[in-house]
Amino acid sequence: ELKVEQNPLFLSMQEGKNYTIYCNYSTTSDRLYWYRQDPGKSLESLFVLLSNGAVKQEGRLMASLDTKARLSTLHITAAVHDLSATYFCAVARTPGDKIIFGKGTRLHILP
Amino acid sequence: NAGVTQTPKFQVLKTGQSMTLQCAQDMNHEYMSWYRQDPGMGLRLIHYSVGAGITDQGEVPNGYNVSRSTTEDFPLRLLSAAPSQTSVYFCASRANSGGSYNEQFFGPGTRLTVL
Repeated sequence: ELKVEQNPLFLSMQEGKNYTIYCNYSTTSDRLYWYRQDPGKSLESLFVLLSNGAVKQEGRLMASLDTKARLSTLHITAAVHDLSATYFCAVARTPGDKIIFGKGTRLHILP
Repeated sequence: NAGVTQTPKFQVLKTGQSMTLQCAQDMNHEYMSWYRQDPGMGLRLIHYSVGAGITDQGEVPNGYNVSRSTTEDFPLRLLSAAPSQTSVYFCASRANSGGSYNEQFFGPGTRLTVL
């Protein structure tokens, strides 16, 4: 059974600092997704990572995937208040398989 | 292109009532799914479908039924609502074939309260 774990579940940090959110999953999987959710809103797709060593960057966010370690990271560089949100990782074992989510990391960036 | 649409946006039910949450997509996606979101629990998969006529259970299927008669629509039925089903429900869709990265798109959500 595929399980997805994120840590930390809650992160409070100051603007300008760097930090990393971790996503571990339990079985060999084909792809990993990162999403952002603002309070009261739906989910917005950030990244889809398909292969070992994949790295994608958008602004101050960078995601990477290590399929051997079954680990993905979401790195935040020089955080700004606008990045405050909940971030989810999700995993699918195969291209057509169901997508299972982690519990999310609630990120609060202090001005 | 409307993407993924859900109706209603809000609903209040009494225990034991039944209702159907509607979900539609206009992207010709084969894969559709329903999630519920509860505080501290992330998103949990209820049911999913890989194409018309094919459905399967997710992590928390009890108390919910689905069917997929067309590619566009994937309704979620609550046959006898319980307070434990109070939640925000999200529908999602994605393409299921080819070598693309299969980005999954989410609807706006339905906030359901069961009294």
